[in-house]
Amino acid sequence: GAGVSQSPRYKVAKRGQDVALRCDPISGHVSLFWYQQALGQGPEFLTYFQNEAQLDKSGLPSDRFFAERPEGSVSTLKIQRTQQEDSAVYLCASSLRGFGYTFGSGTRLTVV
Amino acid sequence: SQQGEEDPQALSIQEGENATMNCSYKTSINNLQWYRQNSGRGLVHLILIRSNEREKHSGRLRVTLDTSKKSSSLLITASRAADTASYFCATVDAGGTSYGKLTFGQGTILTVHP
Repeated sequence: GAGVSQSPRYKVAKRGQDVALRCDPISGHVSLFWYQQALGQGPEFLTYFQNEAQLDKSGLPSDRFFAERPEGSVSTLKIQRTQQEDSAVYLCASSLRGFGYTFGSGTRLTVV
Repeated sequence: SQQGEEDPQALSIQEGENATMNCSYKTSINNLQWYRQNSGRGLVHLILIRSNEREKHSGRLRVTLDTSKKSSSLLITASRAADTASYFCATVDAGGTSYGKLTFGQGTILTVHP
Protein backbone atom coordinates (compact mmCIF):
# COMPACT_ATOMS: atom_id res chain seq x y z
CA GLY A 1 0.00 0.00 0.00
CA ALA A 2 0.86 3.65 -0.05
CA GLY A 3 1.59 3.89 3.66
CA VAL A 4 2.02 1.91 6.85
CA SER A 5 -1.29 0.57 8.06
CA GLN A 6 -2.00 -0.33 11.68
CA SER A 7 -5.03 -2.03 13.13
CA PRO A 8 -7.04 -1.72 15.19
CA ARG A 9 -6.97 2.03 15.46
CA TYR A 10 -8.25 1.84 19.04
CA LYS A 11 -8.34 -1.06 21.46
CA VAL A 12 -9.86 -1.22 24.92
CA ALA A 13 -8.80 -4.27 26.91
CA LYS A 14 -9.72 -5.44 30.35
CA ARG A 15 -6.78 -5.95 32.67
CA GLY A 16 -5.47 -9.47 32.20
CA GLN A 17 -6.69 -9.79 28.63
CA ASP A 18 -4.34 -10.64 25.75
CA VAL A 19 -4.19 -8.26 22.77
CA ALA A 20 -2.69 -8.43 19.28
CA LEU A 21 -1.77 -5.33 17.31
CA ARG A 22 -1.13 -5.53 13.59
CA CYS A 23 1.20 -3.60 11.33
CA ASP A 24 1.16 -3.70 7.52
CA PRO A 25 4.38 -2.02 6.36
CA ILE A 26 5.00 -0.49 2.96
CA SER A 27 5.49 -3.29 0.44
CA GLY A 28 9.15 -4.17 0.03
CA HIS A 29 10.33 -2.38 3.14
CA VAL A 30 12.99 -4.49 4.81
CA SER A 31 13.11 -2.75 8.19
CA LEU A 32 10.23 -2.66 10.64
CA PHE A 33 10.16 -1.04 14.06
CA TRP A 34 7.70 -0.96 16.94
CA TYR A 35 7.61 1.99 19.34
CA GLN A 36 5.53 2.65 22.46
CA GLN A 37 4.36 6.19 23.20
CA ALA A 38 2.93 6.97 26.61
CA LEU A 39 0.67 10.00 26.97
CA GLY A 40 2.65 13.23 26.78
CA GLN A 41 5.93 11.46 26.05
CA GLY A 42 8.10 10.76 23.05
CA PRO A 43 8.02 7.31 21.45
CA GLU A 44 10.28 4.65 22.95
CA PHE A 45 11.83 1.82 20.96
CA LEU A 46 10.44 -1.65 21.50
CA THR A 47 11.81 -3.94 18.80
CA TYR A 48 13.29 -4.14 15.30
CA PHE A 49 12.91 -6.59 12.43
CA GLN A 50 15.00 -6.96 9.32
CA ASN A 51 12.78 -9.00 7.05
CA GLU A 52 11.58 -11.86 9.25
CA ALA A 53 14.52 -11.73 11.67
CA GLN A 54 14.00 -9.97 14.99
CA LEU A 55 17.42 -8.39 15.43
CA ASP A 56 16.74 -6.26 18.48
CA LYS A 57 14.12 -6.74 21.16
CA SER A 58 15.93 -4.84 23.86
CA GLY A 59 13.09 -2.36 24.33
CA LEU A 60 10.34 -4.85 25.12
CA PRO A 61 9.39 -3.97 28.71
CA SER A 62 8.61 -7.48 29.91
CA ASP A 63 8.20 -11.06 28.78
CA ARG A 64 4.49 -10.32 28.36
CA PHE A 65 5.40 -8.51 25.15
CA PHE A 66 6.07 -10.55 22.04
CA ALA A 67 6.48 -9.52 18.39
CA GLU A 68 6.71 -11.50 15.20
CA ARG A 69 7.04 -10.99 11.46
CA PRO A 70 6.98 -14.53 10.12
CA GLU A 71 7.03 -13.82 6.38
CA GLY A 72 8.96 -10.60 6.44
CA SER A 73 5.97 -8.38 5.74
CA VAL A 74 3.06 -8.06 8.23
CA SER A 75 4.07 -7.84 11.88
CA THR A 76 2.08 -8.49 15.04
CA LEU A 77 2.82 -7.15 18.50
CA LYS A 78 1.21 -9.29 21.16
CA ILE A 79 0.76 -8.29 24.78
CA GLN A 80 -0.26 -10.98 27.21
CA ARG A 81 -2.10 -10.37 30.48
CA THR A 82 -2.36 -6.63 29.88
CA GLN A 83 -1.73 -4.24 32.74
CA GLN A 84 -2.79 -0.61 33.16
CA GLU A 85 0.78 0.56 32.56
CA ASP A 86 0.58 -0.95 29.06
CA SER A 87 -1.88 1.80 28.08
CA ALA A 88 -0.16 3.77 25.33
CA VAL A 89 -0.08 4.37 21.61
CA TYR A 90 1.84 1.65 19.78
CA LEU A 91 3.51 2.92 16.62
CA CYS A 92 4.90 0.89 13.77
CA ALA A 93 7.41 2.25 11.26
CA SER A 94 8.95 0.74 8.16
CA SER A 95 11.93 1.64 6.04
CA LEU A 96 13.49 0.36 2.85
CA ARG A 97 17.00 0.31 4.29
CA GLY A 98 16.99 2.34 7.47
CA PHE A 99 17.05 6.12 8.00
CA GLY A 100 13.99 6.97 5.94
CA TYR A 101 11.04 5.95 8.04
CA THR A 102 7.33 5.96 7.43
CA PHE A 103 5.19 5.70 10.54
CA GLY A 104 1.70 4.32 10.81
CA SER A 105 -1.06 6.19 12.64
CA GLY A 106 -0.68 3.89 15.64
CA THR A 107 -2.94 1.80 17.81
CA ARG A 108 -4.18 3.48 20.99
CA LEU A 109 -4.43 0.79 23.68
CA THR A 110 -6.39 1.51 26.82
CA VAL A 111 -6.34 -1.09 29.59
CA VAL A 112 -9.21 -0.77 32.05
CA SER B 1 14.94 5.65 27.68
CA GLN B 2 14.64 9.14 26.25
CA GLN B 3 17.73 10.51 24.55
CA GLY B 4 17.48 14.08 25.58
CA GLU B 5 15.57 17.14 26.42
CA GLU B 6 13.53 19.44 24.26
CA ASP B 7 12.66 22.95 25.16
CA PRO B 8 10.39 24.60 25.48
CA GLN B 9 7.92 21.90 26.45
CA ALA B 10 5.16 24.11 25.07
CA LEU B 11 5.20 27.12 22.79
CA SER B 12 2.27 29.37 21.90
CA ILE B 13 2.61 31.95 19.11
CA GLN B 14 0.56 33.98 16.64
CA GLU B 15 0.24 33.10 12.99
CA GLY B 16 3.06 34.66 10.99
CA GLU B 17 5.58 34.54 13.83
CA ASN B 18 8.61 32.26 13.86
CA ALA B 19 8.83 29.26 16.16
CA THR B 20 12.10 27.90 17.51
CA MET B 21 12.44 24.58 19.29
CA ASN B 22 15.60 23.17 20.80
CA CYS B 23 16.78 19.64 21.39
CA SER B 24 19.72 18.32 23.37
CA TYR B 25 21.07 14.79 23.29
CA LYS B 26 23.67 12.75 25.14
CA THR B 27 25.50 10.39 22.79
CA SER B 28 27.55 10.65 19.60
CA ILE B 29 25.17 10.54 16.70
CA ASN B 30 25.05 9.51 13.06
CA ASN B 31 22.14 11.82 12.32
CA LEU B 32 19.33 13.76 13.95
CA GLN B 33 15.78 13.92 12.65
CA TRP B 34 12.76 16.07 13.39
CA TYR B 35 9.21 14.73 13.32
CA ARG B 36 5.77 16.31 13.62
CA GLN B 37 2.82 14.61 15.28
CA ASN B 38 -0.70 15.92 15.05
CA SER B 39 -3.01 15.01 17.89
CA GLY B 40 -3.87 11.33 17.79
CA ARG B 41 -1.96 10.69 14.59
CA GLY B 42 1.31 9.11 13.53
CA LEU B 43 4.67 10.78 13.16
CA VAL B 44 5.57 12.63 10.00
CA HIS B 45 9.24 12.95 9.07
CA LEU B 46 10.24 16.59 8.51
CA ILE B 47 13.98 16.75 8.02
CA LEU B 48 17.21 14.83 8.63
CA ILE B 49 20.59 16.37 9.36
CA ARG B 50 23.76 14.30 9.39
CA SER B 51 26.45 14.65 12.02
CA ASN B 52 28.83 16.31 9.56
CA GLU B 53 26.26 18.96 8.59
CA ARG B 54 25.67 22.18 10.49
CA GLU B 55 22.54 23.57 8.88
CA LYS B 56 19.80 22.37 6.59
CA HIS B 57 16.75 23.98 5.04
CA SER B 58 13.50 22.57 3.74
CA GLY B 59 10.79 25.03 2.77
CA ARG B 60 9.90 27.02 5.91
CA LEU B 61 12.04 24.75 8.09
CA ARG B 62 15.60 25.43 9.16
CA VAL B 63 17.54 22.95 11.28
CA THR B 64 20.90 23.54 12.90
CA LEU B 65 23.16 21.02 14.55
CA ASP B 66 25.99 21.69 16.99
CA THR B 67 27.71 18.39 17.75
CA SER B 68 30.14 20.04 20.18
CA LYS B 69 27.19 21.09 22.33
CA LYS B 70 25.12 18.03 21.44
CA SER B 71 22.20 20.22 20.50
CA SER B 72 19.92 21.02 17.58
CA SER B 73 17.29 23.60 16.85
CA LEU B 74 14.29 23.64 14.55
CA LEU B 75 13.05 26.96 13.24
CA ILE B 76 9.67 27.24 11.55
CA THR B 77 9.31 30.57 9.79
CA ALA B 78 6.05 32.40 9.07
CA SER B 79 4.06 29.91 11.10
CA ARG B 80 0.52 28.90 10.18
CA ALA B 81 -2.35 27.53 12.27
CA ALA B 82 -1.81 24.21 10.46
CA ASP B 83 1.65 23.98 12.05
CA THR B 84 -0.03 23.34 15.42
CA ALA B 85 1.32 19.95 16.50
CA SER B 86 3.90 18.24 18.70
CA TYR B 87 7.45 18.28 17.39
CA PHE B 88 10.02 15.63 18.30
CA CYS B 89 13.71 15.33 17.68
CA ALA B 90 15.15 11.84 17.31
CA THR B 91 18.72 10.66 17.04
CA VAL B 92 20.47 7.69 15.50
CA ASP B 93 23.57 6.72 17.45
CA ALA B 94 26.94 6.76 15.72
CA GLY B 95 28.59 3.69 17.17
CA GLY B 96 25.58 1.54 17.75
CA THR B 97 23.39 -0.45 15.48
CA SER B 98 23.57 -0.09 11.75
CA TYR B 99 19.83 -0.18 11.24
CA GLY B 100 18.91 3.31 12.33
CA LYS B 101 17.14 2.84 15.65
CA LEU B 102 15.61 6.17 16.70
CA THR B 103 15.81 7.62 20.20
CA PHE B 104 13.26 10.38 20.72
CA GLY B 105 13.12 13.45 22.88
CA GLN B 106 10.11 14.45 24.99
CA GLY B 107 8.73 16.79 22.39
CA THR B 108 7.57 20.39 22.13
CA ILE B 109 3.87 21.21 21.82
CA LEU B 110 3.46 24.09 19.39
CA THR B 111 0.21 26.04 19.23
CA VAL B 112 -0.19 28.62 16.47
CA HIS B 113 -3.13 30.98 16.98
CA PRO B 114 -4.86 32.35 13.87
